Amino acid sequence: QQQVKQSPQSLIVQKGGISIINCAYENTAFDYFPWYQQFPGKGPALLIAIRPDVSEKKEGRFTISFNKSAKQFSLHIMDSQPGDSATYFCAASMKGSARQLTFGSGTQLTVLP
Amino acid sequence: NAGVTQTPKFQVLKTGQSMTLQCAQDMNHEYMSWYRQDPGMGLRLIHYSVGAGITDQGEVPNGYNVSRSTTEDFPLRLLSAAPSQTSVYFCASYWNTEAFFGQGTRLTVV
Repeated sequence: QQQVKQSPQSLIVQKGGISIINCAYENTAFDYFPWYQQFPGKGPALLIAIRPDVSEKKEGRFTISFNKSAKQFSLHIMDSQPGDSATYFCAASMKGSARQLTFGSGTQLTVLP
Repeated sequence: NAGVTQTPKFQVLKTGQSMTLQCAQDMNHEYMSWYRQDPGMGLRLIHYSVGAGITDQGEVPNGYNVSRSTTEDFPLRLLSAAPSQTSVYFCASYWNTEAFFGQGTRLTVV
């Protein structure tokens, strides 16, 4: 069973648009929620992360929105660029086991020039 | 900086063959993990290690063995490869909660 559900599976956005990827989780013991970015032929790399004591975290054009009551979190990419074209994974881990990540299924983002 | 290095990058095995996927890191990280990546399933944790001499199972450990004799190296062994083990394998080491991944090994079992 998939503990972290991610949608959509693929996303096409025009340059300058907003990309939104959503994740939902069931396990209320999760307390760390990172997003990883993966380019073709490469390993994933940490993009941004949030803990449930805040509802939003912003780093440059990337923002995580977190809704603890709904058990959902999302990644927003503002002013999307062709260089943002990659696969994005949400993940979650539990307190005391922050490195044992449970990943979502991934979203392949394509930003058209 | 080399970071996390995985070898080989590609491998084709016949069913029943054995092999070892190598992983080495030069960041002196204590915690290391192995994941497999399959289409539509994200990355799933196979085994992890919190330091030299200590390993434990993740979500999908069956068919895989690991050992950790040094801080730097964390090899993954397939004792008898099966077609279901066709996947892309990623090794990661951790600084605090951030995972640093290698470039992966694409394994095909025929």
